[in-house]
Amino acid sequence: GAGVSQTPSNKVTEKGKYVELRCDPISGHTALYWYRQSLGQGPEFLIYFQGTGAADDSGLPNDRFFAVRPEGSVSTLKIQRTERGDSAVYLCASSLGPPQETQYFGPGTRLLVL
Amino acid sequence: LAKTTQPISMDSYEGQEVNITCSHNNIATNDYITWYQQFPSQGPRFIIQGYKTKVTNEVASLFIPADRKSSTLSLPRVSLSDTAVYYCLVGFTGNQFYFGTGTSLTVIP
Repeated sequence: GAGVSQTPSNKVTEKGKYVELRCDPISGHTALYWYRQSLGQGPEFLIYFQGTGAADDSGLPNDRFFAVRPEGSVSTLKIQRTERGDSAVYLCASSLGPPQETQYFGPGTRLLVL
Repeated sequence: LAKTTQPISMDSYEGQEVNITCSHNNIATNDYITWYQQFPSQGPRFIIQGYKTKVTNEVASLFIPADRKSSTLSLPRVSLSDTAVYYCLVGFTGNQFYFGTGTSLTVIP
């Protein structure tokens, strides 16, 4: 079946602009995760959804970052007033249920803030 | 905040067995240990998961000692296509997942 998909694959924006990154999880997966990966670093946890609710958003770096999952499927990561330091690959993953289940990752969205 | 520690890089010749160790001293009782592989410009891919002792699947083995403060990923007879970054992931209580520093494995012909 289809894996996790993320759109867009690449996004270039200017400092101060607003961006939205979309994640389509594997059908039937109740858990969804967002990570951020900078060059040469491991993925950094941002937020975890169980169903429609954010079970843990402690990884979001500041209040410019926000994520939603209104129907328990697709999720959108929103970044306001982008800064050059936000440039990274944003990875989405989903799993069948609890966090101990295997996470399946999407290809990521490469965000470049000029 | 608990973290995992891995060697930054390793080299191996084709056909050899490779063992990558991850330290996770603060692992909690309910936490599992999962290893992921990542190629450039791709998302991480699941390799193997375990809780204690030894787990084996078609691509790797995972050894976990009784105290669970470390784990070792074993890749038998590596090939050039195994060149990648390998991450140790431990699910800590509180639903947060912290990837290790990652080990960059280079397989040499």
